[in-house]
Amino acid sequence: GQQLNQSPQSMFIQEGEDVSMNCTSSSIFNTWLWYKQEPGEGPVLLIALYKAGELTSNGRLTAQFGITRKDSFLNISASIPSDVGIYFCAGSYLSGGYNKLIFGAGTRLAVHP
Amino acid sequence: DGGITQSPKYLFRKEGQNVTLSCEQNLNHDAMYWYRQDPGQGLRLIYYSQIVNDFQKGDIAEGYSVSREKKESFPLTVTSAQKNPTAFYLCASSMIRDTEAFFGQGTRLTVV
Repeated sequence: GQQLNQSPQSMFIQEGEDVSMNCTSSSIFNTWLWYKQEPGEGPVLLIALYKAGELTSNGRLTAQFGITRKDSFLNISASIPSDVGIYFCAGSYLSGGYNKLIFGAGTRLAVHP
Repeated sequence: DGGITQSPKYLFRKEGQNVTLSCEQNLNHDAMYWYRQDPGQGLRLIYYSQIVNDFQKGDIAEGYSVSREKKESFPLTVTSAQKNPTAFYLCASSMIRDTEAFFGQGTRLTVV
């Protein structure tokens, strides 16, 4: 089946640093979604991307839908302690006439004050 | 407020018992999903439903069962056939299948 390769697996950064993470695949996706999960909670949708090349911001977060439709990245600028959590990418592709959504394994972010 | 509600937040089960996890949504979404998350792992799809009275197996359906008698509700039963049921269970819904999915807060199931 289709797979998403999300990297890095984990990051340890200092408060104020910028963060970048990405998801890649050998398959073409119609939609890219980025979620954040805090400990003991469900994932929360941060950004949704629908078109190749689309660049979307949500506060200090910026995500892009790769031009080849096979990748996406998420940047966090000027990180703060509350950015701690697991960030998941998810991609939607057509299979058998239906959309199918798959998730990356997540990037675990730790921010040191 | 619109959203997805999972209950209970924490659940303890004795070995050999069936247990049912509740998921209710008032977003008027057609599609609903159940995922399992193990420590340090991503999300694995257990079951999904696109419409009332219809549901399909996901990647790890063995030992689980679901029902979709109402649009708002998609309960998951973890049966005694599930060999390693201790995990964090997440319910989600979307307007149509596999578009933007919104998650509940999760239920942590522990077998004692």
